Amino acid sequence: EPEVTQTPSHQVTQMGQEVILRCVPISNHLYFYWYRQILGQKVEFLVSFYNNEISEKSEIFDDQFSVERPDGSNFTLKIRSTKLEDSAMYFCASSRTRTGGSNQPQHFGDGTRLSIL
Amino acid sequence: GENVEQHPSTLSVQEGDSAVIKCTYSDSASNYFPWYKQELGKGPQLIIDIRSNVGEKKDQRIAVTLNKTAKHFSLHITETQPEDSAVYFCAALTGGFKTIFGAGTRLFVKA
Repeated sequence: EPEVTQTPSHQVTQMGQEVILRCVPISNHLYFYWYRQILGQKVEFLVSFYNNEISEKSEIFDDQFSVERPDGSNFTLKIRSTKLEDSAMYFCASSRTRTGGSNQPQHFGDGTRLSIL
Repeated sequence: GENVEQHPSTLSVQEGDSAVIKCTYSDSASNYFPWYKQELGKGPQLIIDIRSNVGEKKDQRIAVTLNKTAKHFSLHITETQPEDSAVYFCAALTGGFKTIFGAGTRLFVKA
C-alpha cells in the first residue's frame, strides 16, 4: 500500500537555526498537510496546501513557518528561526481529494521528531 | 473555536472485553469524523471514519456511532486483543481541510 514518507526521522537543531522537514506524499494525492504533536499532547493542524498554495492554516502557522512543493514529489515545511517550543513531532499527511467533502481520508507519515537545543 | 473533547484519557480492559471511547465536538457544521490509531513511534493511522449523514458504521470488530443532535460520536472495539493496545484519537472536520483532534485515549488490553 502506498505510504507517506518523511525525512529525517529525527532532527536536532540549535535554537535560532533554520530547519526544513521533508515529506513525499502518496503519488496521486493532491492535498497536503502538516501537523505537529508536542510530547504527550494532541495532534494539532498547522497548514493545508493545494494547487501550489496554502488553502488553510492555523494560528500556530505564523511567519516563521512556510511550506513548499519544490518539485512533483516533495512537500516541505520550513521553520525559519527555531525556538525551544518548536520541539515536537511533525507529521505530514496527504489526501486524494478534499477530505471534508468526499470519501478520501488523510494518510499520515510516521513523523519527524524535531528537537531544538 | 472548534474543539473536540475525548474521554477517557486512559482505558484498561481485559483481552476479549469491549472498549468504548467517546468524543464530543463543538462545531455543529462538522461533517466528517475519522478515528486514528497511533502506535509508538508511528504516525496516526485511520481505522474507521463516519460522515454526518450516517448514524453508525461497522468494520469487523470496530464500530463508530454518531449522534448529530448531541454532537457525540463513539468508537466501539469488541473482542479486544493485545495488539489493539495503542493511543486512539477521534477527530472532526468541517468541510474544509483542518482536522481537529481529540486529546487521545491510551488503550491497554491485558492478556
